[in-house]
Amino acid sequence: GAVVSQHPSRVICKSGTSVKIECRSLDFQATTMFWYRQFPKQSLMLMATSNEGSKATYEQGVEKDKFLINHASLTLSTLTVTSAHPEDSSFYICSARKVSGGLQETQYFGPGTRLLVL
Amino acid sequence: AQTVTQSQPEMSVQEAETVTLSCTYDTSESDYYLFWYKQPPSRQMILVIRQEAYKQQNATENRFSVNFQKAAKSFSLKISDSQLGDAAMYFCAYRSGQGGKLIFGQGTELSVKP
Repeated sequence: GAVVSQHPSRVICKSGTSVKIECRSLDFQATTMFWYRQFPKQSLMLMATSNEGSKATYEQGVEKDKFLINHASLTLSTLTVTSAHPEDSSFYICSARKVSGGLQETQYFGPGTRLLVL
Repeated sequence: AQTVTQSQPEMSVQEAETVTLSCTYDTSESDYYLFWYKQPPSRQMILVIRQEAYKQQNATENRFSVNFQKAAKSFSLKISDSQLGDAAMYFCAYRSGQGGKLIFGQGTELSVKP
């Protein structure tokens, strides 16, 4: 398998502040990472695809200026929620793609970050 | 566009029994991958099993096996000898063989009764 970590696991912040979430692939290099948002009892909603060394690709309806993504190295991607508001409260999950054996690809997921904006 | 459908929002199984979770998908591609992920109450997504579309043989991982019907675009998950720890949300997912993003189904919440 492969390990993906996320930090912090839980964060509470005041409305208007910015929050940064880190996603790390611990034992493999990931040129591509993904950021998801998940509401209770619902499926994962892809927010953006993060490519190392280039700009992230955002899904339709996701504000790129609000959800800043940086993928500065092959093992680290960050998601910054800028000027957070209560409606941004959610569970955020990152995922890293591991490539092995030619075109074999598997996505491994971080444990998620619960964000609560007061 | 590809879609993944899980028509069972909730399923229940008795401990030690067998349960099958359904998943259908729609695609015009011939090269793709299918996955089942498990999300327990901790909310950590765990890969359960994967299937390459070009392989006719159904994937198996211990108590977990799939019934892959390519022509019918069906990809069900069978859990044998169900255990309490199998209780979780299960997501079926599709990915193009050309790479790209995972497309998830709506999820099926599985409960296991002792």
